[in-house]
Amino acid sequence: QQPVQSPQAVILREGEDAVINCSSSKALYSVHWYRQKHGEAPVFLMILLKGGEQKGHDKISASFNEKKQQSSLYLTASQLSYSGTYFCGGGAQKLVFGQGTRLTINP
Amino acid sequence: NAGVTQTPKFRILKIGQSMTLQCAQDMNHNYMYWYRQDPGMGLKLIYYSVGAGITDKGEVPNGYNVSRSTTEDFPLRLELAAPSQTSVYFCASSSGGILEKLFFGSGTQLSVL
Repeated sequence: QQPVQSPQAVILREGEDAVINCSSSKALYSVHWYRQKHGEAPVFLMILLKGGEQKGHDKISASFNEKKQQSSLYLTASQLSYSGTYFCGGGAQKLVFGQGTRLTINP
Repeated sequence: NAGVTQTPKFRILKIGQSMTLQCAQDMNHNYMYWYRQDPGMGLKLIYYSVGAGITDKGEVPNGYNVSRSTTEDFPLRLELAAPSQTSVYFCASSSGGILEKLFFGSGTQLSVL
Protein backbone atom coordinates (compact mmCIF):
# COMPACT_ATOMS: atom_id res chain seq x y z
CA GLN A 1 0.00 0.00 0.00
CA GLN A 2 1.38 3.34 -1.02
CA PRO A 3 2.19 6.13 1.44
CA VAL A 4 -0.36 8.91 1.79
CA GLN A 5 0.71 12.52 1.36
CA SER A 6 -0.94 15.69 2.56
CA PRO A 7 -1.81 18.23 1.45
CA GLN A 8 -2.41 17.39 -2.21
CA ALA A 9 -1.57 20.91 -3.30
CA VAL A 10 -0.07 24.05 -1.79
CA ILE A 11 0.16 27.58 -3.14
CA LEU A 12 2.65 29.92 -1.52
CA ARG A 13 4.19 33.30 -2.03
CA GLU A 14 7.94 33.43 -2.36
CA GLY A 15 9.54 33.46 1.07
CA GLU A 16 6.77 31.56 2.85
CA ASP A 17 7.22 28.19 4.54
CA ALA A 18 5.55 24.89 3.76
CA VAL A 19 5.24 21.45 5.32
CA ILE A 20 4.42 18.29 3.38
CA ASN A 21 3.44 15.19 5.30
CA CYS A 22 3.80 11.53 4.42
CA SER A 23 2.34 8.61 6.36
CA SER A 24 2.24 4.87 5.87
CA SER A 25 0.10 2.07 7.24
CA LYS A 26 3.03 -0.31 6.77
CA ALA A 27 6.43 -0.21 8.40
CA LEU A 28 8.87 2.20 6.83
CA TYR A 29 12.53 1.24 6.83
CA SER A 30 13.45 4.45 5.10
CA VAL A 31 11.74 7.48 3.60
CA HIS A 32 12.76 9.05 0.30
CA TRP A 33 11.83 12.52 -0.89
CA TYR A 34 11.94 13.57 -4.55
CA ARG A 35 10.89 16.66 -6.48
CA GLN A 36 9.60 16.54 -10.02
CA LYS A 37 9.30 19.44 -12.42
CA HIS A 38 6.74 19.27 -15.20
CA GLY A 39 7.92 17.03 -18.03
CA GLU A 40 11.03 15.89 -16.19
CA ALA A 41 12.13 12.90 -14.18
CA PRO A 42 11.99 13.01 -10.37
CA VAL A 43 15.08 14.38 -8.68
CA PHE A 44 16.37 13.09 -5.38
CA LEU A 45 16.18 15.44 -2.39
CA MET A 46 17.02 13.32 0.63
CA ILE A 47 16.64 9.95 2.28
CA LEU A 48 15.96 9.34 5.94
CA LEU A 49 16.77 6.08 7.66
CA LYS A 50 15.45 4.58 10.86
CA GLY A 51 16.61 6.44 13.95
CA GLY A 52 14.55 9.63 13.75
CA GLU A 53 17.38 11.50 12.12
CA GLN A 54 16.47 14.83 10.65
CA LYS A 55 18.29 15.76 7.49
CA GLY A 56 18.64 19.03 5.68
CA HIS A 57 19.53 20.30 2.28
CA ASP A 58 19.89 24.05 1.94
CA LYS A 59 16.52 25.36 3.22
CA ILE A 60 14.77 22.03 2.80
CA SER A 61 14.77 19.60 5.70
CA ALA A 62 12.87 16.50 6.72
CA SER A 63 12.09 14.38 9.72
CA PHE A 64 11.18 10.73 10.12
CA ASN A 65 9.19 9.32 13.02
CA GLU A 66 9.55 5.57 12.57
CA LYS A 67 7.20 4.75 15.44
CA LYS A 68 4.38 6.65 13.84
CA GLN A 69 5.57 5.74 10.34
CA GLN A 70 5.39 9.36 9.35
CA SER A 71 7.72 11.80 7.66
CA SER A 72 7.51 15.50 7.05
CA LEU A 73 9.31 17.70 4.54
CA TYR A 74 9.94 21.30 5.58
CA LEU A 75 10.56 24.02 3.02
CA THR A 76 11.76 27.25 4.60
CA ALA A 77 11.70 30.66 2.93
CA SER A 78 10.52 29.09 -0.30
CA GLN A 79 12.07 30.10 -3.59
CA LEU A 80 10.51 30.09 -7.06
CA SER A 81 12.74 27.13 -7.92
CA TYR A 82 10.98 25.03 -5.26
CA SER A 83 7.89 24.77 -7.43
CA GLY A 84 7.05 21.26 -8.54
CA THR A 85 5.49 18.06 -7.30
CA TYR A 86 7.00 16.41 -4.24
CA PHE A 87 6.86 12.67 -3.71
CA CYS A 88 7.67 10.63 -0.67
CA GLY A 89 8.60 7.00 -1.07
CA GLY A 90 9.04 4.08 1.27
CA GLY A 91 8.67 0.38 1.73
CA ALA A 92 10.32 -2.81 2.89
CA GLN A 93 12.07 -4.18 -0.18
CA LYS A 94 10.27 -2.41 -2.99
CA LEU A 95 10.06 1.36 -3.06
CA VAL A 96 6.55 2.73 -3.56
CA PHE A 97 5.58 6.37 -3.74
CA GLY A 98 2.82 8.58 -2.44
CA GLN A 99 0.44 10.35 -4.78
CA GLY A 100 2.43 13.58 -4.69
CA THR A 101 2.00 17.13 -3.42
CA ARG A 102 1.93 19.91 -5.98
CA LEU A 103 3.72 23.01 -4.73
CA THR A 104 3.27 26.33 -6.51
CA ILE A 105 5.40 29.31 -5.53
CA ASN A 106 4.23 32.71 -6.71
CA PRO A 107 6.40 35.87 -6.76
CA ASN B 1 28.35 10.05 -17.08
CA ALA B 2 25.43 8.28 -18.76
CA GLY B 3 23.64 7.08 -15.60
CA VAL B 4 20.29 5.52 -16.51
CA THR B 5 19.42 5.51 -20.20
CA GLN B 6 15.93 4.83 -21.50
CA THR B 7 14.94 4.28 -25.11
CA PRO B 8 12.84 5.27 -26.93
CA LYS B 9 11.83 8.68 -25.59
CA PHE B 10 8.50 8.66 -27.39
CA ARG B 11 6.42 5.92 -28.95
CA ILE B 12 2.93 5.55 -30.35
CA LEU B 13 1.45 2.08 -30.44
CA LYS B 14 -1.74 0.72 -31.88
CA ILE B 15 -4.02 -1.35 -29.67
CA GLY B 16 -2.80 -4.94 -29.59
CA GLN B 17 0.76 -4.21 -30.62
CA SER B 18 3.73 -5.19 -28.48
CA MET B 19 6.96 -3.42 -27.70
CA THR B 20 9.94 -3.39 -25.39
CA LEU B 21 11.07 -0.36 -23.44
CA GLN B 22 14.80 -0.43 -22.95
CA CYS B 23 16.61 0.60 -19.77
CA ALA B 24 20.34 0.46 -19.18
CA GLN B 25 22.52 1.75 -16.35
CA ASP B 26 26.29 2.02 -16.17
CA MET B 27 26.68 2.41 -12.41
CA ASN B 28 26.81 -1.31 -11.59
CA HIS B 29 23.65 -1.00 -9.51
CA ASN B 30 21.98 -4.21 -8.40
CA TYR B 31 18.53 -2.69 -7.86
CA MET B 32 16.44 -1.58 -10.80
CA TYR B 33 12.83 -0.43 -11.00
CA TRP B 34 10.12 0.34 -13.53
CA TYR B 35 7.49 2.94 -12.68
CA ARG B 36 4.62 4.35 -14.67
CA GLN B 37 3.17 7.81 -14.19
CA ASP B 38 -0.22 8.74 -15.55
CA PRO B 39 -0.92 12.44 -16.22
CA GLY B 40 -1.12 14.40 -12.97
CA MET B 41 -0.64 11.27 -10.89
CA GLY B 42 2.05 9.66 -8.81
CA LEU B 43 4.56 6.95 -9.61
CA LYS B 44 3.30 3.40 -9.62
CA LEU B 45 5.79 0.53 -9.34
CA ILE B 46 5.41 -2.04 -12.12
CA TYR B 47 8.31 -4.43 -11.54
CA TYR B 48 11.63 -4.34 -9.77
CA SER B 49 14.82 -6.39 -9.66
CA VAL B 50 17.38 -6.90 -6.91
CA GLY B 51 19.99 -8.38 -9.20
CA ALA B 52 20.58 -10.25 -12.42
CA GLY B 53 18.12 -13.10 -12.78
CA ILE B 54 15.85 -11.87 -9.96
CA THR B 55 12.66 -9.92 -10.58
CA ASP B 56 9.46 -9.35 -8.66
CA LYS B 57 6.09 -7.71 -9.13
CA GLY B 58 5.28 -4.23 -7.98
CA GLU B 59 1.91 -2.53 -7.54
CA VAL B 60 0.67 -2.70 -11.15
CA PRO B 61 2.34 -5.62 -13.00
CA ASN B 62 -0.58 -6.76 -15.16
CA GLY B 63 0.08 -6.41 -18.88
CA TYR B 64 3.86 -6.19 -18.46
CA ASN B 65 6.81 -8.52 -18.32
CA VAL B 66 10.45 -7.99 -17.41
CA SER B 67 13.72 -9.82 -17.56
CA ARG B 68 17.12 -9.15 -16.01
CA SER B 69 19.80 -11.18 -17.71
CA THR B 70 22.59 -8.70 -16.96
CA THR B 71 23.28 -6.17 -14.20
CA GLU B 72 23.17 -3.33 -16.73
CA ASP B 73 19.89 -3.96 -18.54
CA PHE B 74 16.28 -4.18 -17.37
CA PRO B 75 13.88 -4.18 -20.34
CA LEU B 76 10.11 -3.84 -19.88
CA ARG B 77 7.89 -5.74 -22.32
CA LEU B 78 4.34 -4.68 -23.14
CA GLU B 79 2.24 -7.42 -24.67
CA LEU B 80 -1.05 -6.60 -26.41
CA ALA B 81 -0.94 -2.87 -25.71
CA ALA B 82 -4.14 -1.26 -24.40
CA PRO B 83 -5.15 2.43 -24.09
CA SER B 84 -4.88 2.07 -20.29
CA GLN B 85 -1.13 1.65 -20.75
CA THR B 86 -0.78 5.16 -22.10
CA SER B 87 1.62 6.71 -19.62
CA VAL B 88 5.13 7.94 -18.97
CA TYR B 89 7.44 5.12 -17.99
CA PHE B 90 10.46 5.73 -15.78
CA CYS B 91 13.27 3.33 -15.13
CA ALA B 92 15.40 3.82 -12.02
CA SER B 93 18.37 2.18 -10.36
CA SER B 94 19.91 2.10 -6.92
CA SER B 95 23.00 0.65 -5.33
CA GLY B 96 21.21 -0.29 -2.12
CA GLY B 97 17.47 -0.66 -2.72
CA ILE B 98 15.38 1.34 -0.28
CA LEU B 99 18.48 2.41 1.65
CA GLU B 100 20.01 4.38 -1.19
CA LYS B 101 18.72 7.05 -3.52
CA LEU B 102 17.19 6.23 -6.87
CA PHE B 103 18.70 7.46 -10.11
CA PHE B 104 15.96 7.97 -12.69
CA GLY B 105 16.11 7.78 -16.45
CA SER B 106 14.54 10.57 -18.49
CA GLY B 107 11.41 8.56 -19.21
CA THR B 108 9.52 7.11 -22.17
CA GLN B 109 6.25 8.74 -23.24
CA LEU B 110 4.01 5.98 -24.56
CA SER B 111 0.65 6.49 -26.25
CA VAL B 112 -1.61 3.58 -27.18
CA LEU B 113 -4.25 4.52 -29.72
